[in-house]
Formats: sequence, C-alpha cells, structure tokens
Amino acid sequence: EPEVTQTPSHQVTQMGQEVILRCVPISNHLYFYWYRQILGQKVEFLVSFYNNEISEKSEIFDDQFSVERPDGSNFTLKIRSTKLEDSAMYFCASRGQGNSNQPQHFGDGTRLSIL
Amino acid sequence: GNSVTQMEGPVTLSEEAFLTINCTYTATGYPSLFWYVQYPGEGLQLLLKATKADDKGSNKGFEATYRKETTSFHLEKGSVQVSDSAVYFCALSDGRGSQGNLIFGKGTKLSVKP
Repeated sequence: EPEVTQTPSHQVTQMGQEVILRCVPISNHLYFYWYRQILGQKVEFLVSFYNNEISEKSEIFDDQFSVERPDGSNFTLKIRSTKLEDSAMYFCASRGQGNSNQPQHFGDGTRLSIL
Repeated sequence: GNSVTQMEGPVTLSEEAFLTINCTYTATGYPSLFWYVQYPGEGLQLLLKATKADDKGSNKGFEATYRKETTSFHLEKGSVQVSDSAVYFCALSDGRGSQGNLIFGKGTKLSVKP
C-alpha cells in the first residue's frame, strides 16, 4: 500500500538555525498538509497546500514557516530561524481527489529537537 | 471554533476487556469524524471514519457511531488485545469550505495487559 514518507526521522538543530523537513506524499494525491505535536499535547494543524499554493494556515504558521513543493514528489516545511518552542513532532499528510471528507494519510513524523 | 474533547488517559485494561474511549466535539456545520491510531514509534493511521449523523464506522473490531444529538463519536471494542496498545486520537474535519484540515483531540493512551 502506498505511504507517505518523511525524512529525517529525527532532527537536532541549534536555536536560530534554519531547518527543512521533507515529505514525499502518496504519488497521486493532490492535497498536502503539515501538522505538529508538541510533546504531551494535541496534534495541531499548521498548513494545507493545493495546486501549488497554500490553501489555509493556522495561527502557528507565522512568517518563520514556509512550505514548498519543489518538484513533482517532495513537499517541504522550512522553519527559517528555529526557536526552542518549535521542538515537536511534525507530521506530513496527504489525501487524494474527492471532497474533504476523504481521509488523510500520515507519515511517521519527524521529531525536531531545538537546542 | 471547532474542537474535539476526548477522555484523559492513560487507560489500562486486561486482555479481552471491553473498551470505550469517549469523544465529543463542537463544530459548526456538518463535520466528518475520524479515529486515528498511533502505535509506538509510528505515524498516525486512520482507524475508522463517519461522514454523517448515525453513520457507524468500523474496522479491526473497533466501532464508533456519529451521534449528532449528543455531539459524540465514542470508540468501542468488545474485546481488546495486547496489540491494541497505542494512542487513539479523535478528530473532525469541517468538510465545507475548507481543505479538510483535521482538528484533533489530545489523544488517549491505551495499554492492554496480558
């Protein structure tokens, strides 16, 4: 069964540094998402992406964050200048055509640790 | 705004016990409801879903019924196994006018003892 893959599984970065989290969504999917989960807290929506542009974003997704689909397969989340509070598990998800009630498929996540 | 509330964990059960994990939601419109499961060291996997009132989602012996009158989507299983030990997340998607962004509950950790 096709799956969403994320790399790296764990990223350790110094505060203030840029970090790029990578995702390869399921190949025929059209809608892409990033979520994050701070340790012990709920999974929170960050951003959705469709047709090569951001569809929706949450309050968390400020100017330090950006997303890109640089080619036909990758979907990246960049944090420009990381802060301690960016430490979290970041999940990428994708879904196919059809209405928004179709389920999203998630990757295994990238654990980001900011020192 | 839309929100999901699920029972606090952890929940510890013996094998073959009956499981209920409560989930209630607040939403405008007509959301779709989901249960996702996260096994240790893995990502979120869809367990089941229901897209309209009175729908029952089911998978792997788990069931949940979309109750609009009580705004609930409780997860149940008649006889749990050790392999069901995981974190369970209730979530909703506001299908109208959005890209289906999911709103999650905090998650409930289930531990099943042999």
